[in-house]
Amino acid sequence: EVQLVESGGGLVQPGGSLRLSCAASGFTFSGYWMHWVRQAPGKGLVWVSRINNDGRSTNYADSVKGRFTISRDNARDMLYLQMNSLRAEDTAVYYCARPVGDTRNAMDVWGQGTTVTVSS
Amino acid sequence: QSVLTQPPSASGTPGQRVTISCSGSSSNIGSNTVNWYQQLPGTAPKLLIYRNNQRPSGVPDRFSGSKSGTSASLAISGLQSEDEADYYCAAWDDRLNGVLFGGGTKLTVL
Repeated sequence: EVQLVESGGGLVQPGGSLRLSCAASGFTFSGYWMHWVRQAPGKGLVWVSRINNDGRSTNYADSVKGRFTISRDNARDMLYLQMNSLRAEDTAVYYCARPVGDTRNAMDVWGQGTTVTVSS
Repeated sequence: QSVLTQPPSASGTPGQRVTISCSGSSSNIGSNTVNWYQQLPGTAPKLLIYRNNQRPSGVPDRFSGSKSGTSASLAISGLQSEDEADYYCAAWDDRLNGVLFGGGTKLTVL
């Protein structure tokens, strides 16, 4: 079964750091670009970042550029999101997602999400 | 404010056909393909349409997508109560170098 499972969310103070993890299984992880997408409470979907197959190419939303870092470990089938200098507006459910087939951005496999709350 | 503009709400009765629009610009919809997602309450999004009009396996053919210029549409025919959900369009933006999501449309089945 193709599956993504996020972990690492929690409550953190403004200015703090958190590292999210996404464990992939049931497919050849190294063959796919991967994404992080977030959703603030009661709000819409917002794309955060993506990384290519070998981890050498990354893109970020302007709102997180310079604060968040996406990375992957293909040997362990793991995707990560290192989040620094967290702000209240980063509070959201964070999803990792895998694109379909040979597309880079059409995300057809999603994790269940992990909740990040930034508050003092 | 999303760069991809969707109506905040839409509605229809069972069996009806409804469409949801998504308006963008030359740097996103005008030069890249459009994807559509469905999100039921409390669940992760689900890919409904990719590359403007392709359906992933398992998505009923009641769902269809189209694109013209800098706009796209999602059509749902034979509306069913289980279609009540939030719908999002998305496209790569060449200027921002990122994926843009629309603000979402809440579909109500009356």
